[in-house]
Amino acid sequence: DSGVTQTPKHLITATGQRVTLRCSPRSGDLSVYWYQQSLDQGLQFLIQYYNGEERAKGNILERFSAQQFPDLHSELNLSSLELGDSALYFCASSVAANRGQETQYFGPGTRLLVL
Amino acid sequence: DAKTTQPNSMESNEEEPVHLPCNHSTISGTDYIHWYRQLPSQGPEYVIHGLTSNVNNRMASLAIAEDRKSSTLILHRATLRDAAVYYCILADTGFQKLVFGTGTRLLVSP
Repeated sequence: DSGVTQTPKHLITATGQRVTLRCSPRSGDLSVYWYQQSLDQGLQFLIQYYNGEERAKGNILERFSAQQFPDLHSELNLSSLELGDSALYFCASSVAANRGQETQYFGPGTRLLVL
Repeated sequence: DAKTTQPNSMESNEEEPVHLPCNHSTISGTDYIHWYRQLPSQGPEYVIHGLTSNVNNRMASLAIAEDRKSSTLILHRATLRDAAVYYCILADTGFQKLVFGTGTRLLVSP
């Protein structure tokens, strides 16, 4: 158990809909990362927050957005869903934000299926 | 982002040592070498990391070449639970993301 929790575990929805994925980081971790894992693209970095502020953006679509709240939990919002958004979404956390030796701890993921 | 090259798959027998290679010829002086693994149906899991010197922890050892252009993750005695995809990743001092390649799928036979 990494200490990172994600809800829900599974999500089934229809095209065009909007969903929210939630992540609670390990106690004491200030940085939260979101990754998407699909069969054809592998594991890809989406976005990072540190202590409530956006720090880095990766291959995140404009239809997707995220935020980190004062209690440090984070939410990833996916809107106007398409079939291709079906994937595993992982949240990770780390103590700090930008040191090369930082270890990231991953949650169990949310499996999203868009029908 | 500096790139790494790993074999697609490797096989091992249980209780034998496993050496997982990684090439990173474009590594910069400030890049740390990280290894993560992903067991089936789970999120990635940190294994080990190093900068220049060889590193050991309870899970594995990391051997880093003198020129740092390659490294090897060593599992001293493979177990069935070690069957996973192993990712070698470079992270610099300013990194904010992990760039995963395709990794090496390790198969462990009883």
